[in-house]
Amino acid sequence: DAGVTQSPTHLIKTRGQQVTLRCSPISGHKSVSWYQQVLGQGPQFIFQYYEKEERGRGNFPDRFSARQFPNYSSELNVNALLLGDSALYLCASTSGVGNTGELFFGEGSRLTVL
Amino acid sequence: GNSVTQMEGPVTLSEEAFLTINCTYTATGYPSLFWYVQYPGEGLQLLLKATKADDKGSNKGFEATYRKETTSFHLEKGSVQVSDSAVYFCALLSGYSTLTFGKGTMLLVSP
Repeated sequence: DAGVTQSPTHLIKTRGQQVTLRCSPISGHKSVSWYQQVLGQGPQFIFQYYEKEERGRGNFPDRFSARQFPNYSSELNVNALLLGDSALYLCASTSGVGNTGELFFGEGSRLTVL
Repeated sequence: GNSVTQMEGPVTLSEEAFLTINCTYTATGYPSLFWYVQYPGEGLQLLLKATKADDKGSNKGFEATYRKETTSFHLEKGSVQVSDSAVYFCALLSGYSTLTFGKGTMLLVSP
């Protein structure tokens, strides 16, 4: 079975541009979360979606937005990119049933902002 | 707010050495605790977990015990292998299926 897949794996943008990152969860998983991992730091929670509804949001500015589609895939959008947005963006999926904390992560999308 | 503090790395060991990676947390109540591992070139994966005080999580020879008195969840392994080289993250459940992670500790094991 395929795990969590993310695209693109690497991308380079310049300040002020916008980026869209994509995530496909494990088949049967209805919840998707996004995390930002800056080099040398642990992942930081950005968003969680379940059944297309936003269930949680971390301490990130409004430049960050996300959505979940009927097939449970998800997109993360970041507008007006800053140098500090350079990071590995991780997507994680869970079944959404129960509060287990057992997340299944993709390999991430590495964003570099120049 | 919730936070997790891990020992700084890298931790450098020879094969078959004993491993301890310290982790302490600050949280309201008694959240579930986790260790996740990130092998080179791979995504984060759950290593072990504990859901209540005095629980011991274990997997692949790794163990960690939930100590509420010391708010700690230290990771241990009796004999490390080169294949254990990775970055280890301690985390706590801080919302509905939402995790707060520590900064991570890199482990380097040499033959």
